Amino acid sequence: LAKTTQPISMDSYEGQEVNITCSHNNIATNDYITWYQQFPSQGPRFIIQGYKTKVTNEVASLFIPADRKSSTLSLPRVSLSDTAVYYCLVGDPIRGTPLVFGKGTRLSVIA
Amino acid sequence: GAVVSQHPSWVICKSGTSVKIECRSLDFQATTMFWYRQFPKQSLMLMATSNEGSKATYEQGVEKDKFLINHASLTLSTLTVTSAHPEDSSFYICSARPISGQETQYFGPGTRLLVL
Repeated sequence: LAKTTQPISMDSYEGQEVNITCSHNNIATNDYITWYQQFPSQGPRFIIQGYKTKVTNEVASLFIPADRKSSTLSLPRVSLSDTAVYYCLVGDPIRGTPLVFGKGTRLSVIA
Repeated sequence: GAVVSQHPSWVICKSGTSVKIECRSLDFQATTMFWYRQFPKQSLMLMATSNEGSKATYEQGVEKDKFLINHASLTLSTLTVTSAHPEDSSFYICSARPISGQETQYFGPGTRLLVL
């Protein structure tokens, strides 16, 4: 069973900021939160990973509250090419536990 | 960095034949590799966990005799679909966990299998 819950789909206009929230109520102490992006007929692409508070890289930000039971992926100023499925996963990278995928969020960016 | 390749990218075969898919970590060593399957409009389903030098661990419902996994080196894992049937047609994706253990898993581009 997937350990995370996300909205099935979201729509956004180009240039807007998109926030996708993920629930992971049973996250374990050693689990990290990782987000992937997948285009049709391609493998998932790593976006960002974090453990707590806020993480930012060149493509996204990840916000994690103190209780770590949820997280929010923030995509600034999306473009049409950001249309994809976004997956939130939790897992222990030290132990190398397999990543179990939920249904993901299908983001559609509209011109 | 952190590139995972798969070969072939797509394959068409006749029912009853066997197909081998290779997964390689190109610029890092991987103690563990994972194999997933994805049907159209669905999420990735974990099939098995492959550790270098040991037998793979299969998820419930995945036939180990049908999906043979070999992880002979720290950069290569293979998945062989034996006696393939049309219902095995799917998108097969591997991922690799760097040996450092501090990072996430990186995914290959996937292999599209069509069994006629």
